[in-house]
Amino acid sequence: EPEVTQTPSHQVTQMGQEVILRCVPISNHLYFYWYRQILGQKVEFLVSFYNNEISEKSEIFDDQFSVERPDGSNFTLKIRSTKLEDSAMYFCASTFMTGGQPQHFGDGTRLSIL
Amino acid sequence: DAKTTQPTSMDCAEGRAANLPCNHSTISGNEYVYWYRQIHSQGPQYIIHGLKNNETNEMASLIITEDRKSSTLILPHATLRDTAVYYCIAASNFGNEKLTFGTGTRLTIIP
Repeated sequence: EPEVTQTPSHQVTQMGQEVILRCVPISNHLYFYWYRQILGQKVEFLVSFYNNEISEKSEIFDDQFSVERPDGSNFTLKIRSTKLEDSAMYFCASTFMTGGQPQHFGDGTRLSIL
Repeated sequence: DAKTTQPTSMDCAEGRAANLPCNHSTISGNEYVYWYRQIHSQGPQYIIHGLKNNETNEMASLIITEDRKSSTLILPHATLRDTAVYYCIAASNFGNEKLTFGTGTRLTIIP
């Protein structure tokens, strides 16, 4: 069964450094999402992306965050200058279409900021 | 998106049916009910979803009340691997519907 894959599984970065999290959505999917989950807390929506532009973003997704689909297969989340509070699991999700089609999630990247 | 309410935790004996309730009394006509589960810190795993009819797939059954104000996820023969946090989410079928996760129900399958 097709899967959403995320790399790396664990990323350790010094505070203030830039980090790029990578996702390969399911191949025929058109809608892409990033969520995050701070340890012990809820899964939170960050951003949705369709047709090469952001559709919606949450308050968390400030100017330090950006997303890109650099080619036909990858979907990336960049954090420009990481903070300690960015430490979390980051999940990528994709769906073929909205309107009753489920989002499928990857297994996440654990981001640890030192 | 409509708010959903789920019990914090439940236990179920291995081999028995696990019935997980969810209240979504403010659900609107264009909102689907989605069920996901999360095992440890893995990514949320899609289980099943429905609009108003009952649904069944290889993993589970979803029973939605006629007034759509509540639903029940049924795992017919629970195994130890079904121990997880289960999330019931109401999400619109318009636009790029984001999923709003609550705290879910922690289901523990007891041997």
